[in-house]
Amino acid sequence: QSVLTQPPSVSGAPGQRVTISCIGSSSNIGAGYDVHWYQQIPGTAPKLLIFGNTNRPSGVPDRFSGSKSGTSASLAITGLLTEDEANYYCQSYDISLSVVVFGGGTKLTVL
Amino acid sequence: QLQLQESGPGLMKPSETLSLTCTVSGGSIRGSGFYWGWVRQPPGKGLEWIGCIHYSGNTYDNPSLKSRVTISVDTSQNQFSLKLSSVTAADTALYYCARAGYSYPARIEIEFWGQGTLVIVSS
Repeated sequence: QSVLTQPPSVSGAPGQRVTISCIGSSSNIGAGYDVHWYQQIPGTAPKLLIFGNTNRPSGVPDRFSGSKSGTSASLAITGLLTEDEANYYCQSYDISLSVVVFGGGTKLTVL
Repeated sequence: QLQLQESGPGLMKPSETLSLTCTVSGGSIRGSGFYWGWVRQPPGKGLEWIGCIHYSGNTYDNPSLKSRVTISVDTSQNQFSLKLSSVTAADTALYYCARAGYSYPARIEIEFWGQGTLVIVSS
């Protein structure tokens, strides 16, 4: 059971928009700790997509965007491409557990 | 471009101590201001934070690993290491070394990852 809750799977057709939620609590996201997002294509290391809730590293397309409100955060992907098919993870810090925490991951299927 | 490469045994027996080293190239650990860490991923499962270290020696471990973790840094070799004692089958995972952010815990995102090394614990 992950401290940060993500839907196990989401899907969308090419060109559509999908969102992936990351639900936390008052001891992590709600406490003001930043949320970061990663994309992991099977067989490869995770790749940083969003840092500091809303910021994209250089080279990440602006089709990817992050937001945060209260005790949750979201990753939005617009203009879905088949290459976006991957697992996505959120990350934050939990002050009660005194540890960096990851969400359980969401598998994105592009239909 | 910063690169990280894990090295260590692929197969271990229960109760042994896992030792992994991460060699950093394309940048210096010392003076970079960043944290250097370890993340693992059991086969088919999600990511788990193990811990991190600053070149100054400050470390932050995952309490759930019950003090089995030791993370150290060797700035002269531009390497950092993980030791995990008393391993069991539950420690079977792909172990990644990584460069995390510059401020713990406020900014601890991971921008650079090693390719990962699979460690299997089996009798």
